[in-house]
Amino acid sequence: DIQMTQSPSTLSASVGDRVTITCRASQSISSWLAWYQQKPGKAPKLLIYKASSLESGVPSRFSGSGSGTEFTLTISSLQPDDFATYYCQQYDSYSFTFGPGTKVDIK
Amino acid sequence: EVQLVESGGGLVQPGRSLRVSCVASGFTFDDYAMHWVRQAPGKGLEWVSGISWNSGNIGYADSVKGRFTISRDNAKNSLYLQMNSLRAEDTALYYCAKGAQLVLSHFDYWGQGTLVTVSS
Repeated sequence: DIQMTQSPSTLSASVGDRVTITCRASQSISSWLAWYQQKPGKAPKLLIYKASSLESGVPSRFSGSGSGTEFTLTISSLQPDDFATYYCQQYDSYSFTFGPGTKVDIK
Repeated sequence: EVQLVESGGGLVQPGRSLRVSCVASGFTFDDYAMHWVRQAPGKGLEWVSGISWNSGNIGYADSVKGRFTISRDNAKNSLYLQMNSLRAEDTALYYCAKGAQLVLSHFDYWGQGTLVTVSS
């Protein structure tokens, strides 16, 4: 099965900061990667799919890049609503593995 | 508006069975794959099982293979997860999620989850 890792596990940042989260796959997944945002007590929300495609309605400050085994989620200017946990997910194979998550909190 | 509403969770003893359900609305149910994803208290997301639009492709996480069975009834816009031989480590919030395509894809909508607690 494909394993996913994320770094960092926790990130402390301030409003207005540029934030980058990295996700790595244990083998190539082409561009079959999604990013989700989850706030406490809420269901996950899709942000990015196919590594770099922005889901409809998601602010343009979110962007994704990468292919193969290394991917990044970037928030260009962190807003108060962005403090949450972010998960990457591969869907190259029928195991749909999630990364362990990156919690973005207030510095 | 897409809606996914899970039900059937509750407290169950180890070794017993439980079936959770998800009713979908707001989209053509039989055009999309569907999935179950769980989240143990304070932990991350774990994909549990998925089923393609026509039930022709089904997959399970190794942690539930042989114990859980996913199914769907397209006439009722419903997704099910039959959970047998439940263990304490199956305690989690179980989310129903819609695939964005017929088979392999990301998940574009999620329900609010149903809580399953396995304890004596």
